[in-house]
Amino acid sequence: AQSVTQLDSQVPVFEEAPVELRCNYSSSVSVYLFWYVQYPNQGLQLLLKYLSGSTLVKGINGFEAEFNKSQTSFHLRKPSVHISDTAEYFCAVLGGTSYGKLTFGQGTILTVHP
Amino acid sequence: EAGVVQSPRYKIIEKKQPVAFWCNPISGHNTLYWYLQNLGQGPELLIRYENEEAVDDSQLPKDRFSAERLKGVDSTLKIQPAELGDSAVYLCASSPRSDHEQYFGPGTRLTVT
Repeated sequence: AQSVTQLDSQVPVFEEAPVELRCNYSSSVSVYLFWYVQYPNQGLQLLLKYLSGSTLVKGINGFEAEFNKSQTSFHLRKPSVHISDTAEYFCAVLGGTSYGKLTFGQGTILTVHP
Repeated sequence: EAGVVQSPRYKIIEKKQPVAFWCNPISGHNTLYWYLQNLGQGPELLIRYENEEAVDDSQLPKDRFSAERLKGVDSTLKIQPAELGDSAVYLCASSPRSDHEQYFGPGTRLTVT
């Protein structure tokens, strides 16, 4: 079975600063990778996904992520954050030995300060 | 395109009472999922449906939880009786098929007192 580890439970940053949210996964076979964002009292919204092809994936709201197969990582980045980016972010893997099952990390709370 | 609809959004019940959650997936999505999200954690799959068939219910506590997806569209998740530890957010998601990205509803926040 696959697993996902988000290395930081909380990340505080100042507005307009760059940010990186780290995600590592373990799987013995190929998987699909996702980042979701969850605003307070809302469901999960897809930010971006890696299915195949280019390892640099661009998503909504200026976010991007890079798939690194050798390091089994899928870190999320944004060059300049806004107050409105304050939310919880979840990394997830789909497939592998658990077909159809989306496995989530524990989440990273991003807090953007003015 | 309408998203995944869930109701109610919030529910407060006393322990030992029954409760039910409803989900209407995105039109045309054959796969429907129910997830449990405890505070400060990522969602965990409870059950996955392909059309009306439950193809993965290995994580569903079957002594008190039940689910159905009649006619392969809407779904209902039930807890009977509820326990204090069931307080959480219950998320419904849907996708065109199981190897595709999932779209989530807003969730139902359950509080058991």
